[in-house]
Amino acid sequence: GALVYQYPRRTICKSGTSMRMECQAVGFQATSVAWYRQSPQKTFELIALSTVNSAIKYEQNFTQEKFPISHPNLSFSSMTVLNAYLEDRGLYLCGARGTGQLYFGEGSKLTVL
Amino acid sequence: QQKVQQSPESLTVSEGAMASLNCTFSDGTSNNFRWYRQHSAKGLEVLVSIFSDGEKEEGRFTAHLNRANLHVSLHIREPQPSDSAVYLCAVSRRTGGLSGKLTFGEGTQVTVIS
Repeated sequence: GALVYQYPRRTICKSGTSMRMECQAVGFQATSVAWYRQSPQKTFELIALSTVNSAIKYEQNFTQEKFPISHPNLSFSSMTVLNAYLEDRGLYLCGARGTGQLYFGEGSKLTVL
Repeated sequence: QQKVQQSPESLTVSEGAMASLNCTFSDGTSNNFRWYRQHSAKGLEVLVSIFSDGEKEEGRFTAHLNRANLHVSLHIREPQPSDSAVYLCAVSRRTGGLSGKLTFGEGTQVTVIS
């Protein structure tokens, strides 16, 4: 079946440092990958959508300079949170889609001290 | 910009009673609706997807879509304590096979009591 794995599941980092998270699609080809963030007490916000052979599209309030994303092939994507501060804490979710439905990973939880 | 609103914010139901959740959206061209469940700040579990007006059942979960009224609902039949979670409505518009942006509602906290 189709699955999406995210790594790491949890990270604690010091304020001002960076954290990289990975997303692996298994059982299907992820032609598009969306990264979401759920901040404490909030719902999921789309950070950016990456579609193969197209430029990565960032939502308002999110930039490539802060959240660089790599989508080198149809099974893998990574995103880095650069210079993380308190407001960056939350659950980061990767959603990957091939030709069918969207599959979500379990998320990478970021705690910033 | 799409706005997705859910009601109620929280809902307590007795085990075995029907639970009903509501979701309204603002973009009438939306054509992709999903209900997800999230247990305690974990990842998302998809419950039911619906793409056309009417009803879609997946086990004990039934979604009703009325696009003219900009409304989609979720009904949980015979809820159990293990169904206690945050339920999220997500809406998007897919065009020509390209993925649309999923916009999430704020969620409804459902608590099922024995």
